[in-house]
Parts: sequence; structure tokens; C-alpha cells
Amino acid sequence: GNSVTQMEGPVTLSEEAFLTINCTYTATGYPSLFWYVQYPGEGLQLLLKATKADDKGSNKGFEATYRKETTSFHLEKGSVQVSDSAVYFCALRQGAQKLVFGQGTRLTINP
Amino acid sequence: NAGVTQTPKFRILKIGQSMTLQCTQDMNHNYMYWYRQDPGMGLKLIYYSVGAGITDKGEVPNGYNVSRSTTEDFPLRLELAAPSQTSVYFCASSYSTSGTDTQYFGPGTRLTVL
Repeated sequence: GNSVTQMEGPVTLSEEAFLTINCTYTATGYPSLFWYVQYPGEGLQLLLKATKADDKGSNKGFEATYRKETTSFHLEKGSVQVSDSAVYFCALRQGAQKLVFGQGTRLTINP
Repeated sequence: NAGVTQTPKFRILKIGQSMTLQCTQDMNHNYMYWYRQDPGMGLKLIYYSVGAGITDKGEVPNGYNVSRSTTEDFPLRLELAAPSQTSVYFCASSYSTSGTDTQYFGPGTRLTVL
């Protein structure tokens, strides 16, 4: 079945550092890929998505490119801020099937 | 624009008690979902609904029941609470089940069963 694997956390960085959170997936066909963010005490919010190979999703300075050849959807940001501290979830969805989530990566940014 | 709302935000139950977690959306979405999130884990689907009067099981339905009498509301019922049901519960909705469609999440209910 479909699955998503994220890099294990927690990840701690200093403000203005470069961020990469790795995400790889297993699926047949061509799923849509998502990154959701969960700020402390809140529900999940969609951060960005990509629906076909080579698409790049972007939002709030975050980017992720749908790489079919490596089955990856790594999240990147060039300069993180304290306000980016949150838990990040990679997820996939294939057609009418349910969303499949990775285990989440907790990110802490220190000033 | 309220989106998806959930009540209560927090609840402590004793083993064997029952309760209903409420979920309401004001986006006229046909599709609604209940997930649970255990510490350090991703979300797991409990139940989902494709429209009023239609519900189906997800990955982890045991110990839960749902109903969908209106488009807006999708309550989750725990009949005999057990410690294994201690978790954070999220309700979500979407316009369709298209692979590209976005699910919108509520703020969650943190449930502890002692």
C-alpha cells in the first residue's frame, strides 16, 4: 500500500539557517503530495502541495518539488524564522483514496 | 469564516464512560473525516463520510461510531472509553475526494482516558 516516510526529528536550527526536511513515498501511479504544518496548540494547515511530477509547491518561503524519479518531496526553506517552529507532516493522496501521512517532524528554531 | 470547528478542546474521561466529539463545517463540503493523532505518530483515519447519511470505516474504527445527519455536522461517539483512546482527535472536511483536493482541519480535541 501507499506510505510516506519522513526524516526523524526533532530538528533544531538557529534563526536564518537553511532547512531541509526529507520526505519519500511509496505509491503506485501518480499521487498528489502535500506538506501540512501544525503550529503549537492548533490543527493541521495545508502548507503547499504538488499534483504531478516536477511540479514545485511553494508558500511562505517554503518549497518542495515533486520528484518522481527519486519518489521524494523534500521541504526546503532558505532562511527560517522562530515563527516556523511547528510540526511538519508530509502526506500523499491517490485519487479518491484517503490521505496517508508521515509521522511528522518537529522543528524548533532558536533565536 | 469559521471553517471546521470542534468541541470540546480538552476532555478527561474515566474508563468506561462515553462521550461525543462534535465537528461542524460551514464550507458546504460533502466529505468529512475523523483522524486520531498519537504522540510521535502521523494521523490515522478513524471514519469518513461522503455525504449526509453515508459513512464508512477508516484504518482504526474499533471503539468509535459516527453519524452524518446533515452536511455540516459529523459527530464522533466513544461508547466505552479505554486508555488506548487517549489521543488528539482531528476532524477534517473537503469539497471532493479528488487526489488534488485540500482537506481542511479543525483545531483538535485532546482526550485523556484514565
